[in-house]
Amino acid sequence: SQQGEEDPQALSIQEGENATMNCSYKTSINNLQWYRQNSGRGLVHLILIRSNEREKHSGRLRVTLDTSKKSSSLLITASRAADTASYFCATDKRNTPLVFGKGTRLSVIA
Amino acid sequence: DAGITQSPRHKVTETGTPVTLRCHQTENHRYMYWYRQDPGHGLRLIHYSYGVKDTDKGEVSDGYSVSRSKTEDFLLTLESATSSQTSVYFCAISDGQGGPVQYFGPGTRLTVT
Repeated sequence: SQQGEEDPQALSIQEGENATMNCSYKTSINNLQWYRQNSGRGLVHLILIRSNEREKHSGRLRVTLDTSKKSSSLLITASRAADTASYFCATDKRNTPLVFGKGTRLSVIA
Repeated sequence: DAGITQSPRHKVTETGTPVTLRCHQTENHRYMYWYRQDPGHGLRLIHYSYGVKDTDKGEVSDGYSVSRSKTEDFLLTLESATSSQTSVYFCAISDGQGGPVQYFGPGTRLTVT
């Protein structure tokens, strides 16, 4: 299975600190995406990084991809209480459905 | 939620009864997906559709069937609900397979007693 595994399972930080979450996967991929899920809501797409890219930025988000290590990281800088959510990585091969990991629960304490 | 609705939003049913969940989109996206989300398992794909009347199985399809007679509607049916199917069910849509982003509905919380 190419399922991503997020690490850590749970993370608690103070507001203003940076939060880093990692995702490892098992097989070669075409793309890797990160999604956020607020409690009781559906997932929301954050960022997509292609297998030939190494780093992408979107606002306070920075994603890196290391295909040699089959891993990705999501960095949220200057975290806010509103960033409290679960974060999922999802991987795909060409023309196959996304496969989601089990997620990291982030708590940002004001 | 990107023009995706799910109904019902909450349902309690008894073991052995049939249940149908509906996903409706207004985005005219080709692909539609049904996932279930359980603690410790993350999000798992049940079935997906790549066009009207075109469907395929996902990782956890046993005990579920789907139908898509119109682009905008994707139905998930539990023919005879079991307690192991208690879960939160999410519908998602995308305009392609693989890379394109998926947009999720608000979810349906199903409890089978």
